[in-house]
Amino acid sequence: EPEVTQTPSHQVTQMGQEVILRCVPISNHLYFYWYRQILGQKVEFLVSFYNNEISEKSEIFDDQFSVERPDGSNFTLKIRSTKLEDSAMYFCASSGLVLNYGYTFGSGTRLTVV
Amino acid sequence: DQQVKQNSPSLSVQEGRISILNCDYTNSMFDYFLWYKKYPAEGPTFLISISSIKDKNEDGRFTVFLNKSAKHLSLHIVPSQPGDSAVYFCAATKTGGTSYGKLTFGQGTILTVHP
Repeated sequence: EPEVTQTPSHQVTQMGQEVILRCVPISNHLYFYWYRQILGQKVEFLVSFYNNEISEKSEIFDDQFSVERPDGSNFTLKIRSTKLEDSAMYFCASSGLVLNYGYTFGSGTRLTVV
Repeated sequence: DQQVKQNSPSLSVQEGRISILNCDYTNSMFDYFLWYKKYPAEGPTFLISISSIKDKNEDGRFTVFLNKSAKHLSLHIVPSQPGDSAVYFCAATKTGGTSYGKLTFGQGTILTVHP
């Protein structure tokens, strides 16, 4: 069964450093997403990406965050200057040719900012 | 932001019995609802969904009921199996228009099914 692949599974970074979280969505999917889950809290929407541009973003997704699809397969989330409160599980997801809300999530990257 | 709420943090059920997980929402613009299951160290996995034009959707052991007037939905699992033990998330969205698939999640309910 096709999977959304995220790397690394765990990243530790120092406060103020830049991090890039990587995702390989399911091939031929066109809609891409990042969500995050702070420990003990809800899964929260960050951003959706379609047709090579951000289509929707939450208030969490401020100027410190950016997304990119640098080639035909990867989808990245960059945090420019990490803060302690950015520590969370970050989930990438993708959806097919027709928008399907039951889309597929990756296993997540646990980001720890120290 | 408490637009989707799962008021029961946990539920414990005996194998073979029914599990009922509940979810309430406040945003009347939501018109599509989903349930996801999550195991530790994995991402959420889509289980079942329902559109606001329906009040019930069934898929094998899983049935989702929607009560629009009460802004309430529930997931029934019959019969429950130990492998169903996981965190269950309710999610909601507004379809159409400029929607690009944003989901709003509840806090999750930890289901434990005892053999």
